Amino acid sequence: KQEVTQIPAALSVPEGENLVLNCSFTDSAIYNLQWFRQDPGKGLTSLLLIQSSQREQTSGRLNASLDKSSGRSTLYIAASQPGDSATYLCAATSGGSYIPTFGRGTSLIVHP
Amino acid sequence: DVKVTQSSRYLVKRTGEKVFLECVQDMDHENMFWYRQDPGLGLRLIYFSYDVKMKEKGDIPEGYSVSREKKERFSLILESASTNQTSMYLCASSSTSGGPRGGYNEQFFGPGTRLTVL
Repeated sequence: KQEVTQIPAALSVPEGENLVLNCSFTDSAIYNLQWFRQDPGKGLTSLLLIQSSQREQTSGRLNASLDKSSGRSTLYIAASQPGDSATYLCAATSGGSYIPTFGRGTSLIVHP
Repeated sequence: DVKVTQSSRYLVKRTGEKVFLECVQDMDHENMFWYRQDPGLGLRLIYFSYDVKMKEKGDIPEGYSVSREKKERFSLILESASTNQTSMYLCASSSTSGGPRGGYNEQFFGPGTRLTVL
């Protein structure tokens, strides 16, 4: 059964730092990996989706990479801003399934 | 843009009441999901549906039922609400074919319903 882990659970950084959020998964036979952002009391917003045949995806200051052989994905946030403060979740969908397995998330605070 | 809407942002009900949570998506997605999210427990799948009138139990279906009579609408029903069902409920949808409706199995979420059962 797929298990997804996100470390660290919480992170606090000063504005302007480049940072990396980690996501690891146990079953490397995944179809895709998706990164989400969640603001307090709100739903999840899709940030990036990486299909199994891809190595990375970029959107603005965000870059997500996927290394299936090591069971890892990273979300890189460049030049962080206070508006980036949120919880970031990753989810891996295994082969033959419609259902992603979610990590518990990393709670990010970017302070001015 | 894919849009997933949920009928209420906040809901307060009494123990024993029957509760309906509605979810509508506008992108002709085949798959729809209901999750609950609780502090320290993460997201847990209650039910999902991969087609009209089709449903499958998720990890925590007890105390819940679902209905999918039309492709765009997926309803979650609490037959007799209890205080341990106080939670944030999130609906999501995805496409099995990708393209303009989102990537293959890319999930899109609604804004959530915060349900309190007194």
